[in-house]
Amino acid sequence: DTEVTQTPKHLVMGMTNKKSLKCEQHMGHRAMYWYKQKAKKPPELMFVYSYEKLSINESVPSRFSPECPNSSLLNLHLHALQPEDSALYLCASSASDRGHEKLFFGSGTQLSVL
Amino acid sequence: TQLLEQSPQFLSIQEGENLTVYCNSSSVFSSLQWYRQEPGEGPVLLVTVVTGGEVKKLKRLTFQFGDARKDSSLHITAAQPGDTGLYLCAPRSGSARQLTFGSGTQLTVLP
Repeated sequence: DTEVTQTPKHLVMGMTNKKSLKCEQHMGHRAMYWYKQKAKKPPELMFVYSYEKLSINESVPSRFSPECPNSSLLNLHLHALQPEDSALYLCASSASDRGHEKLFFGSGTQLSVL
Repeated sequence: TQLLEQSPQFLSIQEGENLTVYCNSSSVFSSLQWYRQEPGEGPVLLVTVVTGGEVKKLKRLTFQFGDARKDSSLHITAAQPGDTGLYLCAPRSGSARQLTFGSGTQLTVLP
C-alpha cells in the first residue's frame, strides 16, 4: 500500500463552521505533512509531524489546528476560516530513501469557504 | 527561506515538441527533487539528483543537476499530452524534513 488517503475530497463550509480534514497512510512513515495550495501555485508547507509530535509550524493562523492521533493518521481541524483560506489542502507522508526524504502525497481536499 | 525560481512559469506546446524547464537558486543544496502534479492530484516524485553535474533519465525526461548544485533543468523529448501538469522542483538540505517547492512550471501539451 503506497497510498495517502485524504477525506473528504471536496468541502464547502461557512466562516462560522467547524470541520476537520483527515489523512491516513499505512506505509509506516513516521513523518506527515500538511500543505496548502492555491490554483496554479506551488504547495506551501503548513505543518510537519515527526514521530507523532509537531516539529514544524510555518506560522499558520490558529484557526488551523493539526492533530496526529497516531502514526497513521493526521487531522486538520478548521474553525472560523476566511474566504481566502479556500484552497487545495494536501497531506503527505515521507520515508528516507538513501538519506533523502521522499514525499508521498494524497489527492487533496478542495476547500471552499463561503 | 530558500528562494527557488522556476522558468518558464507557463508553457504551452504541441505534441511532439521538445522543451526544457529550469530551476535556479543562489543557494547550494545537498540534493534536489523534481515532482509532477497532474490536475486533481497531489505531486508525485519523479527523481532525486544528488551529485553536482549528475544527469538522470526517466524515459523521455532528462534531469540535470548543476555542477555547483545551485540549479537544475528538466528536458522533455517529444512531449505528449500525458506530460501536462505542474512541474515542481524542491531543494533538499541534508535530511531536513522541511520540504519547500520552487515557483513551478505549468506545462500544457496540446494534441
